[in-house]
Amino acid sequence: KAGVTQTPRYLIKTRGQQVTLSCSPISGHRSVSWYQQTPGQGLQFLFEYFSETQRNKGNFPGRFSGRQFSNSRSEMNVSTLELGDSALYLCASSFAGELFFGEGSRLTVL
Amino acid sequence: SQQGEEDPQALSIQEGENATMNCSYKTSINNLQWYRQNSGRGLVHLILIRSNEREKHSGRLRVTLDTSKKSSSLLITASRAADTASYFCATDAYNNNDMRFGAGTRLTVKP
Repeated sequence: KAGVTQTPRYLIKTRGQQVTLSCSPISGHRSVSWYQQTPGQGLQFLFEYFSETQRNKGNFPGRFSGRQFSNSRSEMNVSTLELGDSALYLCASSFAGELFFGEGSRLTVL
Repeated sequence: SQQGEEDPQALSIQEGENATMNCSYKTSINNLQWYRQNSGRGLVHLILIRSNEREKHSGRLRVTLDTSKKSSSLLITASRAADTASYFCATDAYNNNDMRFGAGTRLTVKP
């Protein structure tokens, strides 16, 4: 089985721009979670989707949004980028309570 | 917000030695999991222990859980240089679909 695939792996944006990150879960996994990882804050939960519905949301501003499609692929969007949004964004699909992570998308905001 | 806290923040040992990492959490849980992350990569699931279990083994890994103290420990025996990574505990304190991670322990195993 292919693992969780995240695209793009690396990207550079400037303040004020917006970015969309994509995540393809493991085939058959219907739950997708997103995390932000920074040196200062560690791994912070963003949101979780199941069957195209957001089930849980972390404590992030409205600039952070996401969605899930009928094939379980998910996207997250960050609008009006700030320098502090520079981070590794990790997506994970889950099965039986275990999270399977992608390699992440490293976003640098200049 | 983070749920767990790992201790120590960093650990450096020689190859062949055992490494012990601890995790404390704040609220009741259904299960606790340990993950490993090589620098800048995704996390890899190591082991899951349920709240009604006290100890679990997987290869060179041994995990204990003390729900009365809200703490867990991960023991890696006979460490190898390839075990060098960051180790995180994660709990489902909020609900089964929302895993919260601690800050991690950075383990360095010197050859």
